[in-house]
Amino acid sequence: SQTIHQWPATLVQPVGSPLSLECTVEGTSNPNLYWYRQAAGRGLQLLFYSVGIGQISSEVPQNLSASRPQDRQFILSSKKLLLSDSGFYLCASSGGPYNEQFFGPGTRLTVL
Amino acid sequence: AQSVTQLDSQVPVFEEAPVELRCNYSSSVSVYLFWYVQYPNQGLQLLLKYLSGSTLVKGINGFEAEFNKSQTSFHLRKPSVHISDTAEYFCAVVTSGTYKYIFGTGTRLKVLA
Repeated sequence: SQTIHQWPATLVQPVGSPLSLECTVEGTSNPNLYWYRQAAGRGLQLLFYSVGIGQISSEVPQNLSASRPQDRQFILSSKKLLLSDSGFYLCASSGGPYNEQFFGPGTRLTVL
Repeated sequence: AQSVTQLDSQVPVFEEAPVELRCNYSSSVSVYLFWYVQYPNQGLQLLLKYLSGSTLVKGINGFEAEFNKSQTSFHLRKPSVHISDTAEYFCAVVTSGTYKYIFGTGTRLKVLA
């Protein structure tokens, strides 16, 4: 099975500051990678997904962007954080389009 | 566009009682269906999945789900729950030909002693 690493586990940032969350994957090659935001009562909202290096699909127009500089590395970024960016961010990996997704432990982001 | 509906946001049930968590989806093409569980302060893990074949799918920890194409449902069931089943349960769907997993809003199962 795959292991998904995410860091940091928690992050407190001021409004207007930049953001970089990193996700790395072990145990597979050429995975499909995903970023989700989880909000209480709203389930998991798909933000971005990638089927290969440099290939990013955006699902929700917002203040965030994603990049995939290496096969098993997925980065979520923002140039200027908003209060509404606060939330729990999850990275996930899948070995194929209909395969099980493996999730990382998540990052709790608080924007003040 | 595909969507997933979990009608019950919270389900309280007594220990050793049966439980059913409901999931309905909307899609006009073939779908693949999943149930994930998130225990308190932990990440999500797969309970079971339906890709093809038998419509009754068995998963970990005694859970099972039945795919009903005519009713576009994939309800999760367990005949006798334990305190340790207290968690949040998410239904997810992937439409054939896409890479996007669409998750429901989750159902919090609280098992009471």
